[in-house]
Amino acid sequence: GQQVMQIPQYQHVQEGEDFTTYCNSSTTLSNIQWYKQRPGGHPVFLIQLVKSGEVKKQKRLTFQFGEAKKNSSLHITATQTTDVGTYFCAQGSQGNLIFGKGTKLSVKP
Amino acid sequence: GAVVSQHPSRVICKSGTSVKIECRSLDFQATTMFWYRQFPKQSLMLMATSNEGSKATYEQGVEKDKFLINHASLTLSTLTVTSAHPEDSSFYICSASGGRPKPTDTQYFGPGTRLTVL
Repeated sequence: GQQVMQIPQYQHVQEGEDFTTYCNSSTTLSNIQWYKQRPGGHPVFLIQLVKSGEVKKQKRLTFQFGEAKKNSSLHITATQTTDVGTYFCAQGSQGNLIFGKGTKLSVKP
Repeated sequence: GAVVSQHPSRVICKSGTSVKIECRSLDFQATTMFWYRQFPKQSLMLMATSNEGSKATYEQGVEKDKFLINHASLTLSTLTVTSAHPEDSSFYICSASGGRPKPTDTQYFGPGTRLTVL
């Protein structure tokens, strides 16, 4: 079935370094959503991308949707310890969400 | 954003017992609710989708007779794990979408219920 591949699985960075996680699909996506799950918590919606080539920013977070709508990325500039958690992309499909495996980010102070 | 609550947050039960988990949308009417399961260090896996007043749609491999879902109103859905076994131990998370008067496809997640079956 449809699925999104997400890499890397884990990322360890020093505080202040940048971080990027990528999602790729073999099929064209109608939209892609990004969620953050803090350790022990539940997923929190960050953003939805719908348009080809779309770029959205939320403070230090930059979200991109590829021109072909088959890939997406989340980039965090100058990470902080509050950024720790697992970041999931999810493709919307007929009202459902199919989640990638997530990228677990740890930030060393 | 919209608020979704889940109860209980944690439950420990003996093998063979049934456990009911409630999911409520507190400040909006959710036309659709979703139930996910998350095993340690893994992604969320959709179990079923339920629309208010109709039968839930289960994902492949999810036993509908074991995981009973009731979506009785626009603000409440319940998941009952019947005859629970240790392999059912997991983190169960609900989410809700829809909403009136401004419907949205965005899913708002509950805080999750950690089930441990001894």
